[in-house]
Amino acid sequence: SAVISQKPSRDICQRGTSLTIQCQVDSQVTMMFWYRQQPGQSLTLIATANQGSEATYESGFVIDKFPISRPNLTFSTLTVSNMSPEDSSIYLCSVEPARSTDTQYFGPGTRLTVL
Amino acid sequence: QKEVEQNSGPLSVPEGAIASLNCTYSDRGSQSFFWYRQYSGKSPELIMSIYSNGDKEDGRFTAQLNKASQYVSLLIRDSQPSDSATYLCAVKMNTGFQKLVFGTGTRLLVSP
Repeated sequence: SAVISQKPSRDICQRGTSLTIQCQVDSQVTMMFWYRQQPGQSLTLIATANQGSEATYESGFVIDKFPISRPNLTFSTLTVSNMSPEDSSIYLCSVEPARSTDTQYFGPGTRLTVL
Repeated sequence: QKEVEQNSGPLSVPEGAIASLNCTYSDRGSQSFFWYRQYSGKSPELIMSIYSNGDKEDGRFTAQLNKASQYVSLLIRDSQPSDSATYLCAVKMNTGFQKLVFGTGTRLLVSP
């Protein structure tokens, strides 16, 4: 597996502002993903963070709202833009260490509350 | 039809009993299946992966896969109160980017 850290672990933000969440892995990984888990719900994939190119977004998620960067094979950021209370959620980074393992491991998550 | 379906529970079992968690999926071409455990306020933790029909055992956990019935299950033997958590079934879809799709999870309560 891989050791994954996320910053911040939690934040309380005002509506209309933006927050950037960082995900750092202790080793190079092939795939990195961003998920959202709304209160009492399961995980929903926001996008696949592609190294050196634009992220691949799932239906219902757009780049203007959730811009993603992945400058190298160990780091990615997710920005939640122009936040509203509906964005209050846990945001999770996950990685797939190598294509052959086919397994995703999750970071500790970022708990976001928007007032 | 949801892509991955689980009974939300809660499933209540006494300590020492076998807990049986079930999951069905819609994509017949799926090849990779996973069980994650999520404690309240924590991120999902991988318990088991299974790729072939039949049983796969790891300690007190057994994953069972039946691709013909599009069914995957997780058995927890000798359940402990520390097993109380939400168990998420995840299936890697065989379409598009082969994304991992999660069920809504089954909440397990193991009473002492």
